[in-house]
Formats: sequence, structure tokens, C-alpha cells
Amino acid sequence: SAVISQKPSRDICQRGTSLTIQCQVDSQVTMMFWYRQQPGQSLTLIATANQGSEATYESGFVIDKFPISRPNLTFSTLTVSNMSPEDSSIYLCSAATSGTSNEQFFGPGTRLTVL
Amino acid sequence: GENVEQHPSTLSVQEGDSAVIKCTYSDSASNYFPWYKQELGKRPQLIIDIRSNVGEKKDQRIAVTLNKTAKHFSLHITETQPEDSAVYFCAAPRGGSYIPTFGRGTSLIVHP
Repeated sequence: SAVISQKPSRDICQRGTSLTIQCQVDSQVTMMFWYRQQPGQSLTLIATANQGSEATYESGFVIDKFPISRPNLTFSTLTVSNMSPEDSSIYLCSAATSGTSNEQFFGPGTRLTVL
Repeated sequence: GENVEQHPSTLSVQEGDSAVIKCTYSDSASNYFPWYKQELGKRPQLIIDIRSNVGEKKDQRIAVTLNKTAKHFSLHITETQPEDSAVYFCAAPRGGSYIPTFGRGTSLIVHP
């Protein structure tokens, strides 16, 4: 299993600013992902964070808006850039290890409000 | 890509009743089907999963069934309790990958 922490847990930001969310896993994992979850909605994958290379973005998400870093096998960051009120959401980090188990573990989420 | 449909969106039951949530998927190469439970304000957590070489799996009051021919899988909760109240998500990976596509979720409400 993997225990995932995220910082900050919540933030209120002004439009036009940027926020960086940190995700820390307590063990080395193969894959790390970033999701967005609107209240009452499902999980929408933003991108897969690749260690040592550029993230792989899903349709509708671009690097300029959501730059992602993954410097090692236990840590990743997601930046929400030039924020607007439409970016208000919960952002979740998750991790998985390929192999016999495909189980995904999720962080507690970061609740972002953009004014 | 994978398309996952989940029904119903809301399910209300009396304590002690059974609850069934169904999902269909589109990618015949999908081989791993997890179910996640998300309590209000909490993170999603895996409650049970099934692989394509198995038709059914049970864990106490929870079971999952898989019909690969029809491309659907279901979550069964027996003897429901108020603490089962949560949103449940099914998921299926894009064929050949570990990246899941999630269903829209089912809000289960168990009335005492």
C-alpha cells in the first residue's frame, strides 16, 4: 500500500494567480496521476506525471495551464496557472505501482477556491 | 478510449436491504475492474476489485460480478448499514494500460 499526503489541503486564491500543489508518497511508486473533481462529480484525469520526463496530458488539459513536475518516484507537483473561478475544484493526487496489483491510492485532495 | 457507464446515479435503500450498482465498459481489452468508495469530504478508497479471469469475488458483505461477454460488472452490497452511505465509483482501464476511466458515481443512501 501507499500513503499519500498533499499540501495545501485547501486554499483561496485570486484570479490570475498560480498555485502549486505538492504530493508526497511514502514509498516509491511507478505511476502518479493528477485528477480534478468538481463537487458531486466523478474524477477527471488531468495528466499522468512521468518521472524524469514531461507529463502526459489528457484531452482538454495543457501543460501551460497545468504544469506538472515529478523529480523522483515519490514526489510530484501540479501548478494551476493563471487561475479563474472555473478552476475552483478539488485536485487529487494518486499513485499506483504496476505489476500484480493495479490498485490506485489517493491523496486527501486540495480544495481550491478562486475568487 | 474506454467509456464507462454507471447506473444508477442515486440509490436509496433501507438498512438491511441489498444494493446493486452496475457498470458497463467499452474496451474489450480491459482486464481490471475496481470499485472505490468515497465518503463525504474524504478521498476515494478501493473496496474491492476483480480481474478478467474471474467471474465473481466476495469480501464479507461486498461482492463484485463480471460478465466479460456483455462487458458489464456490478457491485453488490448485502445487509446494508448507514455507514455504507457514500459515493461509489467503478473504473476500467484503457486497454493495455493501467490508467483507469471512472464511472460517474452512484450516491448510495442507507436509511436507518
